[in-house]
Amino acid sequence: DTAVSQTPKYLVTQMGNDKSIKCEQNLGHDTMYWYKQDSKKFLKIMFSYNNKELIINETVPNRFSPKSPDKAHLNLHINSLELGDSAVYFCASSQRPTIPIDTQYFGPGTRLTVL
Amino acid sequence: AQTVTQSQPEMSVQEAETVTLSCTYDTSESDYYLFWYKQPPSRQMILVIRQEAYKQQNATENRFSVNFQKAAKSFSLKISDSQLGDAAMYFCAYRGGATNKLIFGTGTLLAVQP
Repeated sequence: DTAVSQTPKYLVTQMGNDKSIKCEQNLGHDTMYWYKQDSKKFLKIMFSYNNKELIINETVPNRFSPKSPDKAHLNLHINSLELGDSAVYFCASSQRPTIPIDTQYFGPGTRLTVL
Repeated sequence: AQTVTQSQPEMSVQEAETVTLSCTYDTSESDYYLFWYKQPPSRQMILVIRQEAYKQQNATENRFSVNFQKAAKSFSLKISDSQLGDAAMYFCAYRGGATNKLIFGTGTLLAVQP
């Protein structure tokens, strides 16, 4: 069974479009995250939700909007896509945000290409 | 702000030999945690090993061990008996402070030569 799954794995779209990436975890974790990995492989956190509540919101354009319908799901919606949004987006989950030793389990990533 | 630095963009090791990947970090926190993640060509991020800063004993997981030097803010990863499957990008990461964000270094690409 996949612990953290993301759909789609690949997404190719035109500039200006709106797209969503879905994430689901079946680990029973309370906390979920979105990370962005750029073309130089640099990985940086974007958002974190704990039990459907936003707890980390990094400096990210407001074209990016996370949505958590329940604690097992955290979706990422991107409006008006730009070339610079091309990256790999990773979803992750962990048990609780206040326990730093908690392992974060990552999804397989979604490679977004904006043409 | 906390930062994580990996000064070796690329490393190479012969199969069965030992390699050490470097990582330094900067923080004013006293309580924090350090991690090494592996990212093979499949893109999947896999936790290799983790270390609590309050523990003096270095963490070990099979062929993987760390050399944690708290005063020097250094956290290197040693891979013994390197295998072809160890070839991957390795990321050092820090977690601590009020938000418990996971902060990654820039990664070291490890090649394993047969």
